[in-house]
Amino acid sequence: KAGVTQTPRYLIKTRGQQVTLSCSPISGHRSVSWYQQTPGQGLQFLFEYFSETQRNKGNFPGRFSGRQFSNSRSEMNVSTLELGDSALYLCASSRSGTSTDTQYFGPGTRLTVL
Amino acid sequence: AQSVTQPDIHITVSEGASLELRCNYSYGATPYLFWYVQSPGQGLQLLLKYFSGDTLVQGIKGFEAEFKRSQSSFNLRKPSVHWSDAAEYFCAVGAADSNYQLIWGAGTKLIIKP
Repeated sequence: KAGVTQTPRYLIKTRGQQVTLSCSPISGHRSVSWYQQTPGQGLQFLFEYFSETQRNKGNFPGRFSGRQFSNSRSEMNVSTLELGDSALYLCASSRSGTSTDTQYFGPGTRLTVL
Repeated sequence: AQSVTQPDIHITVSEGASLELRCNYSYGATPYLFWYVQSPGQGLQLLLKYFSGDTLVQGIKGFEAEFKRSQSSFNLRKPSVHWSDAAEYFCAVGAADSNYQLIWGAGTKLIIKP
């Protein structure tokens, strides 16, 4: 069974640009969560999608958005990039997204904003 | 406020020595507890989880953790570490009423001395 895949693995952007990251969950998983990981802040929850609906959102500005498609693949978008957006963005999938459900993580997309 | 504390940012142990990584939580509801490991350049992998029942939980790679409600702790242990255990370890807490969102600790980086 293929794991969670994220593309691209590395991105370099400049301030003010926008970026779209993609996540393909494990087959059969309908929940996709996104996290931002930085050395200073640790792992921060961005949002979670289930069956194309955003069910929960973390404390991030509106520049961070996401969506989920009917095949459960998900994208997240960051507009008007800031230097502080440089981070590892992790995607995790699970069957139902409940608290008892195991989340399977992808390798992440390393975003560098110059 | 709900929180998870991993008091040790770094821990260094000799190969073959025993290991204990600490995790303390503050959570109003009955917690669901997780330990994840992140190897360099990788996503996170679930080591073990506790929802209910036996407070001593066995996980993968020879790890175990013990839930102590009176101390609000869920410490991770391994009797003998291997060089391949060098990684960052994250404790996370969720609950039935947490809207699918886990609260994450800041992580503990494990360094293995040869």
